[in-house]
Amino acid sequence: KQEVTQIPAALSVPEGENLVLNCSFTDSAIYNLQWFRQDPGKGLTSLLLIQSSQREQTSGRLNASLDKSSGRSTLYIAASQPGDSATYLCAVRWSGNQFYFGTGTSLTVIP
Amino acid sequence: DTEVTQTPKHLVMGMTNKKSLKCEQHMGHRAMYWYKQKAKKPPELMFVYSYEKLSINESVPSRFSPECPNSSLLNLHLHALQPEDSALYLCASSLSDSGPYEQYFGPGTRLTVT
Repeated sequence: KQEVTQIPAALSVPEGENLVLNCSFTDSAIYNLQWFRQDPGKGLTSLLLIQSSQREQTSGRLNASLDKSSGRSTLYIAASQPGDSATYLCAVRWSGNQFYFGTGTSLTVIP
Repeated sequence: DTEVTQTPKHLVMGMTNKKSLKCEQHMGHRAMYWYKQKAKKPPELMFVYSYEKLSINESVPSRFSPECPNSSLLNLHLHALQPEDSALYLCASSLSDSGPYEQYFGPGTRLTVT
């Protein structure tokens, strides 16, 4: 069964700290993995997309890595800011046309 | 333009009403998706349209009826809903439903069934 897990469910950090969010998946034969941010009551904003052939992608203070053999992806956020407070979701696409979402990590950055 | 738009933003309806949600994209994407999201839960896939044809229906009750009139537009027709159907309804699109393509989401419609 294809499953995506995100641990921890919630994380609080002081402003300025670097942090890592984790995403684990059960089957290494993925097409791609996408990281999203969701503010309360809003839609999902795409942050980074990593293809199965890639090891990492970077955008500004964000860096996402992919290790298919261990079934893991991490989202690294550098120099966190209060505006980074949101829920972060990872979604994995295997063969077929569905994305499978993790349960998300709720991040709070304390000023 | 990487935007998916959804209307209305909020909708309150009674259990006997009929209403529709609308989603639009002008990115030339040929796959469009409806998701349902309850509070503090991840989005749950409801329907997938590929080249204007329904390709996935995740055992969604018939009180939800999707429609894809053209490649840019996706509707979700609602009839005789239950209070437990109250949720955020999200639309998404991608270049194709087969292949390693990014999904783009709209802002959602917050639905309350009274």
